[in-house]
Parts: sequence; C-alpha cells; structure tokens
Amino acid sequence: DQQVKQNSPSLSVQEGRISILNCDYTNSMFDYFLWYKKYPAEGPTFLISISSIKDKNEDGRFTVFLNKSAKHLSLHIVPSQPGDSAVYFCAASAGYAGGTSYGKLTFGQGTILTVHP
Amino acid sequence: SAVISQKPSRDICQRGTSLTIQCQVDSQVTMMFWYRQQPGQSLTLIATANQGSEATYESGFVIDKFPISRPNLTFSTLTVSNMSPEDSSIYLCSVGSGGGYTFGSGTRLTVV
Repeated sequence: DQQVKQNSPSLSVQEGRISILNCDYTNSMFDYFLWYKKYPAEGPTFLISISSIKDKNEDGRFTVFLNKSAKHLSLHIVPSQPGDSAVYFCAASAGYAGGTSYGKLTFGQGTILTVHP
Repeated sequence: SAVISQKPSRDICQRGTSLTIQCQVDSQVTMMFWYRQQPGQSLTLIATANQGSEATYESGFVIDKFPISRPNLTFSTLTVSNMSPEDSSIYLCSVGSGGGYTFGSGTRLTVV
C-alpha cells in the first residue's frame, strides 16, 4: 500500500521557468509534509516542510502548497536553475505535534527533475 | 539542525557476511531512524531506534537480519547480517531536528 505517491517519475523544465512537482497521500493521519532533494551518492537534503494547519509555506525559490481535502501537495520552484536537477522526494509524517515529536517518514517514489540551461 | 556522520560511505561485501554501519550525531536526539533505498526505489523505513530500549521494526524487517544498537543519545549502528545480493542498497540513518529530519550521507552496499 503506497501511502505517498509521486505519479510523475520525471520532469524536464527550461532554466528560469517554474518547476511543479506533485505528491498525493492517502493516510489522513499525516500532519506534516516535507520535500527532500537527493543527488546520487548523497543523503537526502531537506528543502521545505509544511504542517497540516497551513496551506502554503514559502522559502526563497521554493513554495509548498497543501490541499488537505484533496490529500495533495505540490512543490513549486521559481525560477528553476540547472543546479536544481536532482531527485525530489515527498515525505509525510504523523504525530508531528508542533515540532516536538518526530515520527517516522513515509516517502514517495521520487521525481527526477532536469533543468535545462 | 543536527549533523550526522555516517560510515562507511560504501562497501562491497561477500554474501553470507555481515556489515555494521555507524551513525554519529553532533547533538543528543531521542529517536534515530534507519532507512533503506533499493536501486530505483524510494526510501523505506527499516526501524526506529530509541536509546535504552529495543528498536521498533517495520513490517518486513526483523531484528535477526538488521540488529540495531543505540548505546547513547548520539550514536547508533545498523548491522546487515548474512547478506545476499538482494541486500544491495543504500542505507541511511536519520534524526529529527530543527523542524525537519536530517539524513546521513548514506552507505552504498553492494553484495557479491
């Protein structure tokens, strides 16, 4: 049972344009969502997160949108840069409790983003 | 955020042998998580390790195959026992810190 799904295995975008990566989840207990970037031979690098009490969180070029009713979140990267080319993972956790409790993460399958110069 | 040092970064092992992976955190953390990423797949949680108690394993993972130690609040080890080629994966440790989760750099294991 895949509780977190990234249905697009890959995405190709021109430099300077917007990249939109999508993620769907099925578990209603998830209350904290994160996006990670991963290069080969490295561990995942935390990008941005959002708790279920919000519907948007922004950090520089990265914005995450959460639609709880649709159980859908998306990551927007604007403007996209060639250095953004990596695998992007969506992850979810239950019981985050406002940042005092860290539950296990459930990951999506990942989306390979390629940003062309 | 916490900083994690994970060793070894990679190894090639013979089937039937065991490999122990170490993670050292620069701050005290209550819970440490161990993940596996098989080739072309997502990250899957193996177990959650609390200091002073037995690790909690996810479905499909057992202590005999993946024994975990957590002797203090800054250190943990994962052993991959009696390895087979199917164990060839990247193994990662993780801790919760600073509103997110920090990951080690991973151990790329190849079993031949």
